[in-house]
Amino acid sequence: AQKITQTQPGMFVQEKEAVTLDCTYDTSDQSYGLFWYKQPSSGEMIFLIYQGSYDEQNATEGRYSLNFQKARKSANLVISASQLGDSAMYFCAMREPYSGGGADGLTFGKGTHLIIQP
Amino acid sequence: DTGVSQDPRHKITKRGQNVTFRCDPISEHNRLYWYRQTLGQGPEFLTYFQNEAQLEKSRLLSDRFSAERPKGSFSTLEIQRTEQGDSAMYLCASSLARGGATEAFFGQGTRLTVV
Repeated sequence: AQKITQTQPGMFVQEKEAVTLDCTYDTSDQSYGLFWYKQPSSGEMIFLIYQGSYDEQNATEGRYSLNFQKARKSANLVISASQLGDSAMYFCAMREPYSGGGADGLTFGKGTHLIIQP
Repeated sequence: DTGVSQDPRHKITKRGQNVTFRCDPISEHNRLYWYRQTLGQGPEFLTYFQNEAQLEKSRLLSDRFSAERPKGSFSTLEIQRTEQGDSAMYLCASSLARGGATEAFFGQGTRLTVV
């Protein structure tokens, strides 16, 4: 079974609109972390936002917010007021301390290719 | 530039040749990770180091792959007798172990093409 599922292979969004990128995850651990990374065409993975499984508030970082619904095992990324520079691949990832991958090793989804149109 | 740097950025090699990649992490970071990313997929964990100790290796890391971090600073990833299936982007990441969230910072990767 997929640990991280991103159901949107690609999305087209008009500039300045808000966009929601979906992510669902599967874990039996009680303690885990959820991350979103952005990968532009240059290849570098850029950290955007983090949500811990015990955090009660949804994480926010500037224009990025994470809609964390623990019971549904969903961690959607919301980008407000999208910009042309937001066009990139976006990956949802999970850290499970006791399930391999090292203390901080991440399991990634397949990504969503977001294209912002002027 | 104080980010994670990887060298080379691109490598084309013939099947059967050995290749070695280098990663220089952020200087104060004690954890270093290697990931592999194939086209259309997210990165997959290969191995990680805490200081100079290699603490975990994925099943993806066959015997032809070896990684080192001899002084707890830079790391090398060597692939022996390369195969076409090794063609991928190899990403290095580093983090600073401390209580709470430890986000990993990634380099720009080394894109390997085996012909």
